Formats: sequence, structure tokens, C-alpha cells
Amino acid sequence: KAGVTQTPRYLIKTRGQQVTLSCSPISGHRSVSWYQQTPGQGLQFLFEYFSETQRNKGNFPGRFSGRQFSNSRSEMNVSTLELGDSALYLCASSPQEGGGYNEQFFGPGTRLTVL
Amino acid sequence: AQSVTQPDIHITVSEGASLELRCNYSYGATPYLFWYVQSPGQGLQLLLKYFSGDTLVQGIKGFEAEFKRSQSSFNLRKPSVHWSDAAEYFCAVGARGGSYIPTFGRGTSLIVHP
Repeated sequence: KAGVTQTPRYLIKTRGQQVTLSCSPISGHRSVSWYQQTPGQGLQFLFEYFSETQRNKGNFPGRFSGRQFSNSRSEMNVSTLELGDSALYLCASSPQEGGGYNEQFFGPGTRLTVL
Repeated sequence: AQSVTQPDIHITVSEGASLELRCNYSYGATPYLFWYVQSPGQGLQLLLKYFSGDTLVQGIKGFEAEFKRSQSSFNLRKPSVHWSDAAEYFCAVGARGGSYIPTFGRGTSLIVHP
């Protein structure tokens, strides 16, 4: 079974631009969560989607948004990029909702650099 | 709200030596507990998890962890470390009946000397 895939793997943007990251979960998994990983803050939860609905949201500004499609693929969007948005963005999938009590399967991440 | 502390930012061990990575959590009840490993350039991979029952949990790659309620700890152990174990290790906690959002520790970087 194929693992979680994320595209692109690397991205360089400038301040003020917007970016869209994509995540394809493991086949049959209906939950997709997004995390931001930085050296300073560690792993921080962005949001979780389950059956095309956002179920949970972390403490991030509205510039961070996401969606999930009927095939469970998910995208996250960051508008008006800031230097501090430079990070590794990880996507994780799970058969059921709730990364807090279900095993999550992580993708390799998208490395976003904002100049 | 739950929280997780991994007191050691870096740990250095020699290949073949034993390993213990510390994890302390704060939560009012028995939480769900996880250990994940992240190799360079990779996403996180689950090593083991504790939900209930036997407090000594066996995981993949020869790792085990013990849940100690009295100490609010869930330390990860391995009797003999291999060079390929060099990676970042994350402890995570989830709340029973509460938020579905897991909280991750800041991670411990394991360096293995030959």
C-alpha cells in the first residue's frame, strides 16, 4: 500500500505570495491532519479534516486554510506569506478521526522557504 | 489541556549501548501515549503506543516504553542501539474523551557514535 505523499517536496516563495500544498493520504484513510514543524516551535497542529469537514483547528491565523476532497486528498493554503512561515509542513493520515488517539501515518513533508 | 516534556534535547550514545529517552506528560487522567521517530528528510513513523492494559509496550525496531502513572512518564528504551537509530524522537500525548488534537514534545535528537 502506498504511503502518504506530499507535493511539492520543496518550495521557495517570497513574502506576500500565497502557496498551496498537497497531500494524498493512504488509500482508505479518511482523516488528514496538517502540522507545521520548525526548530523554534517544534511540531504544531494546524488542522484536521475528516470526510471533507474540518474537525479540529490549531492556533494559527486565518491565513492558513485547508480543504479536503471527496477522495480524501487534502490541500492547505497559506496566503500573504511571512518569513516566519518558513517550515516543514507535514501531512498525516489516519483511518479514523483524531490523531490524539489514533496512529497517524506521516508524509515526508513539504519544505517551504519564504524569502 | 495536556502537555509533554522531553527534558533532553540531545542524547549521545555509543553503538551497542543501551538507550533511554525521557518523556513526561501532564494530563488529568490516563492519556493516550505515542512515540514517533523522524529520520532526516523523512516524516514521522510510529514506534509504539499505549492506550491501556500492560504498562510495558513493545514497539518496532526493538524499542519498548513503560508507562508509569505515578511519575507521569512514558520513557522509551532500547537495550542495544544501532547506528541506524540516529534520528529525532518525539513523544506525543492525546486526551481521552477530550480534544482529538495530539500534543507533541519538542523532540530528542539521538546521536550514535561508532
